[in-house]
Amino acid sequence: AQSVTQPDIHITVSEGASLELRCNYSYGATPYLFWYVQSPGQGLQLLLKYFSGDTLVQGIKGFEAEFKRSQSSFNLRKPSVHWSDAAEYFCAVGARYGNKLVFGAGTILRVKS
Amino acid sequence: GAGVSQSPSNKVTEKGKDVELRCDPISGHTALYWYRQSLGQGLEFLIYFQGNSAPDKSGLPSDRFSAERTGGSVSTLTIQRTQQEDSAVYLCASSLGGISYEQYFGPGTRLTVT
Repeated sequence: AQSVTQPDIHITVSEGASLELRCNYSYGATPYLFWYVQSPGQGLQLLLKYFSGDTLVQGIKGFEAEFKRSQSSFNLRKPSVHWSDAAEYFCAVGARYGNKLVFGAGTILRVKS
Repeated sequence: GAGVSQSPSNKVTEKGKDVELRCDPISGHTALYWYRQSLGQGLEFLIYFQGNSAPDKSGLPSDRFSAERTGGSVSTLTIQRTQQEDSAVYLCASSLGGISYEQYFGPGTRLTVT
């Protein structure tokens, strides 16, 4: 069965600093991997996804993520955080030919000015 | 264009009552998902509809939960005899197809069972 671990429940970074949110997954084959963001009172919005090919994927709002098969990881990064990035971030995994996403517990990002 | 809409945005009900939650997907989206977001369990898949195929109900937590999708569009999630542990935000998402397509999420319905 698929599972996702986001080890950090809360992260606080200063505005302008770099950001890395960790995600580890468990799945027996190459999965589909996703990062979603949820702002307070809002639905989830897709930031980026990885299916195959280049292991470094670019997303919206200046985010990128790198798929590392050897580490079963798909960490999300941003070189310079803006106050508007404060939100909750979810990593998710989907099985190829499957129907559902399995989400991690989420990481709440706080941005200090 | 219009996104996924859900109603009501908030619902407070007494334990033991039935509730219905509605989802209007994006027009043209053939796939529709229901998820539950709660403090203890995070985001959980509940059910998936794709076109005219039989729904994937593998995530429904008990037989008190059911869902239907009429005319391949609007979906209703019904919870019978609600329990306090059903309190959560219920999220609906739609997409153009299966897992490889982006899922667009609605704002959710916050259900509180007292």
